[in-house]
Amino acid sequence: SQQGEEDPQALSIQEGENATMNCSYKTSINNLQWYRQNSGRGLVHLILIRSNEREKHSGRLRVTLDTSKKSSSLLITASRAADTASYFCATAAIHTSGAGSYQLTFGKGTKLSVIP
Amino acid sequence: DAGVIQSPRHEVTEMGQEVTLRCKPISGHDYLFWYRQTMMRGLELLIYFNNNVPIDDSGMPEDRFSAKMPNASFSTLKIQPSEPRDSAVYFCASTLAGPLSNEQFFGPGTRLTVL
Repeated sequence: SQQGEEDPQALSIQEGENATMNCSYKTSINNLQWYRQNSGRGLVHLILIRSNEREKHSGRLRVTLDTSKKSSSLLITASRAADTASYFCATAAIHTSGAGSYQLTFGKGTKLSVIP
Repeated sequence: DAGVIQSPRHEVTEMGQEVTLRCKPISGHDYLFWYRQTMMRGLELLIYFNNNVPIDDSGMPEDRFSAKMPNASFSTLKIQPSEPRDSAVYFCASTLAGPLSNEQFFGPGTRLTVL
């Protein structure tokens, strides 16, 4: 089944460094979304990139999408202690078995720790 | 807008008891999703609704789980009877026009513990 898999599972960096997280998936998608989750909280949407887009920026975030490799990356530049959280990718596509339904699958996330 | 509202935030119950989780989506959003998050399985989509109609419930683990959306501003997820393996954080999310075009807004979650 289609699934986003983040890599690495955990990442620890110093404040000010860049953090890169990767996501791989298995089948065709309509879009790929990145979310952040602080401990004990709900997920917060960061950025959505469509299948016909290759790169997108939002503030200190940069997302790339390579549909030929079925992979995406999230780059956080000049990291801050407040960026400490888990980051998830989610892939969205039309469900092949259900008329009008879609499949949205989340990976298990990358746990990022930014050390002050 | 207050965002997606879930209640209760925490629920502790004993095996065999009925559990009802509640969700109020963001006003105007026409899609509502229920997810379950555990360390072992990550975040799993259980069921989603469009305009109050269940579209895909293939993620519901078994018949003990049921979900309803009687109107555009309220949904429930019920577990009857509950089992210890149901312990997880349950999230509700809503979006406008579906995830193929828009981000999802998540509630704070309900942490369920079944003893």
